[in-house]
Amino acid sequence: GAGVSQSPSNKVTEKGKDVELRCDPISGHTALYWYRQSLGQGLEFLIYFQGNSAPDKSGLPSDRFSAERTGGSVSTLTIQRTQQEDSAVYLCASSLEGGLNTEAFFGQGTRLTVV
Amino acid sequence: DQQVKQNSPSLSVQEGRISILNCDYTNSMFDYFLWYKKYPAEGPTFLISISSIKDKNEDGRFTVFLNKSAKHLSLHIVPSQPGDSAVYFCAATGGTSYGKLTFGQGTILTVHP
Repeated sequence: GAGVSQSPSNKVTEKGKDVELRCDPISGHTALYWYRQSLGQGLEFLIYFQGNSAPDKSGLPSDRFSAERTGGSVSTLTIQRTQQEDSAVYLCASSLEGGLNTEAFFGQGTRLTVV
Repeated sequence: DQQVKQNSPSLSVQEGRISILNCDYTNSMFDYFLWYKKYPAEGPTFLISISSIKDKNEDGRFTVFLNKSAKHLSLHIVPSQPGDSAVYFCAATGGTSYGKLTFGQGTILTVHP
């Protein structure tokens, strides 16, 4: 596609339920990132995939969060047993090579609301 | 531990004047810096970047200045236009955080006609 696509655009879920957020990166981009933005906050790094390397999971806030990237393309971010503090906009980005000197392109985000 | 800080949550300027957005960082390993712009309900879009081997990078109305000794960078927009009204995020990467962009909290810029 022309840009990074995320689905769903909005998700309302009950506390304790699991959710899956999907990201389709730009074709040919080897690097994929997940960030989240809570209300009034900056962009918080969650996880980074680069090619076939082991992902950098250092930003995942708890073991309820996991992400995978299948076939080096589509990525799914899974949040288990959601809590109200998980409410945020979850942003996915991709870049051509990853690392320094590369521009990351963002999707429009998934707004997650846990009630 | 906020490694990238944008201490001004908001900035208001008149159309045609200069907008100056500031960003400070604490990690001396950062060596590449980027500015992103974000409109409501959209993802951030890349604006301009600068490598630590430079102290200035210019692209049209946008100029980024880097002061490594002060660990400070700024984005200048001249002349400012109402369409520039958005949230501006500063980001940094490098060293052990290679490949990971660390963002500031953002500054809301409002340009009045």
